[in-house]
Amino acid sequence: GDQVEQSPSALSLHEGTGSALRCNFTTTMRAVQWFQQNSRGSLINLFYLASGTKENGRLKSTFNSKESYSTLHIRDAQLEDSGTYFCAAGTGNTGKLIFGLGTTLQVQP
Amino acid sequence: NSKVIQTPRYLVKGQGQKAKMRCIPEKGHPVVFWYQQNKNNEFKFLINFQNQEVLQQIDMTEKRFSAECPSNSPCSLEIQSSEAGDSALYLCASSLSPRANSDYTFGSGTRLLVI
Repeated sequence: GDQVEQSPSALSLHEGTGSALRCNFTTTMRAVQWFQQNSRGSLINLFYLASGTKENGRLKSTFNSKESYSTLHIRDAQLEDSGTYFCAAGTGNTGKLIFGLGTTLQVQP
Repeated sequence: NSKVIQTPRYLVKGQGQKAKMRCIPEKGHPVVFWYQQNKNNEFKFLINFQNQEVLQQIDMTEKRFSAECPSNSPCSLEIQSSEAGDSALYLCASSLSPRANSDYTFGSGTRLLVI
């Protein structure tokens, strides 16, 4: 079936540094969303992309539907960025989102 | 604070008991989705509605769950007879469109523990 492969599964950063998370898709996706899940379980919308690149503060996301991947870049990481990040994408046919298994980010002082 | 309101935040039930959770979608969003997130971070789509109509649901939902989105009332998802494997975070989301080219807003979830 359709799959979303997310990497890395875990990431540790020191404050002020940055990194990238990636999702690869096994089928053509119409759009991708990125979420941050906090310790209480709330899924916070970070980005919705049908194509191209969006930037919001220290976060930037790109979606390349032709090459079937999306990335989330975090720069100047802060302690409050800690949490689990999920990408989720849909084929556009049914409305269902297919989620990756998440990247657990820990930001250390 | 999320614009999608889910209650209760936590739910503890014994095996065989009913477990009911509610969701108020974001204002103006006619489409509601329910997902189950297990402890391994696997998300399972359960059911979606457009207004009061069911658009799609999986077999498990059809057989074991009762779900509705009545007009002018919260949407609800109820497990008719809880099993240990139902312990999970149940997330409700709403959107403007049933198609995946419309972004979702999620609630904070109902964490169900079946003992």
